[in-house]
Amino acid sequence: AQKITQTQPGMFVQEKEAVTLDCTYDTSDPSYGLFWYKQPSSGEMIFLIYQGSYDQQNATEGRYSLNFQKARKSANLVISASQLGDSAMYFCAMREFYNQGGKLIFGQGTELSVKP
Amino acid sequence: DAGVIQSPRHEVTEMGQEVTLRCKPISGHDYLFWYRQTMMRGLELLIYFNNNVPIDDSGMPEDRFSAKMPNASFSTLKIQPSEPRDSAVYFCASSLSQVEAFFGQGTRLTVV
Repeated sequence: AQKITQTQPGMFVQEKEAVTLDCTYDTSDPSYGLFWYKQPSSGEMIFLIYQGSYDQQNATEGRYSLNFQKARKSANLVISASQLGDSAMYFCAMREFYNQGGKLIFGQGTELSVKP
Repeated sequence: DAGVIQSPRHEVTEMGQEVTLRCKPISGHDYLFWYRQTMMRGLELLIYFNNNVPIDDSGMPEDRFSAKMPNASFSTLKIQPSEPRDSAVYFCASSLSQVEAFFGQGTRLTVV
């Protein structure tokens, strides 16, 4: 069973607009973390943002914010004021700490294209 | 720190040959992960280590694949014998407990 689901294979957004990339997850682990990574066409994996399962506040890092809805098991990434350099693959990931010993798994990714 | 270092960056080999991919994690990190990325299957976790001990190798596709971590600063992923379907980008990543993992630049493996 897929534990991380990203339902949007591809997304388009106009430059300077905000965009939301969806991620839902499935876990029974009481302690887990959610991550977003960016992979530009050059291939490197770049960490963007982290949300812990016990965190009360949604995580923010510059133009990135994570919309964490624990009851719905969703962890959507919001990118504000999109830039051309945001065009890339975006991966949602989860680490399960209690039952899975820190295992880190990824969703299938969403390809974001920013239009000028 | 120089980050996670993988070698080689590119590898082209003939079917049936042994391939060894290498990884040097960030100093002090206690987790090390090996992933394989393909268009069809995305980013698959192959195996991960905690304090040099393999914790979960359920993602290793076949017995042809093996991984070792002889010490805290070095890990290898070996494929023997290699097959064309093993062609992929292989990533190594390291982390401290419960925080983000940092990735190496990857090794692009082509088996012809």
